[in-house]
Amino acid sequence: KAGVTQTPRYLIKTRGQQVTLSCSPISGHRSVSWYQQTPGQGLQFLFEYFSETQRNKGNFPGRFSGRQFSNSRSEMNVSTLELGDSALYLCASGRDLPNTGELFFGEGSRLTVL
Amino acid sequence: KNEVEQSPQNLTAQEGEFITINCSYSVGISALHWLQQHPGGGIVSLFMLSSGKKKHGRLIATINIQEKHSSLHITASHPRDSAVYICAAPELNYGGSQGNLIFGKGTKLSVKP
Repeated sequence: KAGVTQTPRYLIKTRGQQVTLSCSPISGHRSVSWYQQTPGQGLQFLFEYFSETQRNKGNFPGRFSGRQFSNSRSEMNVSTLELGDSALYLCASGRDLPNTGELFFGEGSRLTVL
Repeated sequence: KNEVEQSPQNLTAQEGEFITINCSYSVGISALHWLQQHPGGGIVSLFMLSSGKKKHGRLIATINIQEKHSSLHITASHPRDSAVYICAAPELNYGGSQGNLIFGKGTKLSVKP
């Protein structure tokens, strides 16, 4: 059974650009959540989706957005990149509603903003 | 707002030692996650528990809901256990429903041969 797939794994952007990250959950999973990890702040929740609906959003500016498609794949977008957006972005999928079961994480997308 | 605190931040052990990592949270929850992150970034879910104790191989997790405290134990530690261990608890939304996960800062474990 394939795990959670995140693409791209590594990317470098410059300030002001925008980036789109993709997450393909485990087959049959309907829940996808996104997290940002930085050395200073640790892991922080970004948003979560269940059956194409955004259920919760973390305390991030409007430059961070996301969506989920009918096949449960999810994308997140960061516009007008800032240096502080450099981070590891992780997604996790789950079979059920978020926080009701085990989470399965992808390997992450490491974003560097120059 | 839930706050999640872990201790210790860093832990060095000799192979074979018994290891304990602690996690405390500030509000009532229904379940808590223990995660393992190896260098390179990938995170593996070790346990999700809501009461009592769970065991998987050499790993044991316990939770005391009344005391708002959980522990992760590793028996007969091995160098391959070297990783960052993170606990996470859901924030409570207004009205009491489970919200977003709040993460501890992590415990960096290094097991020496």
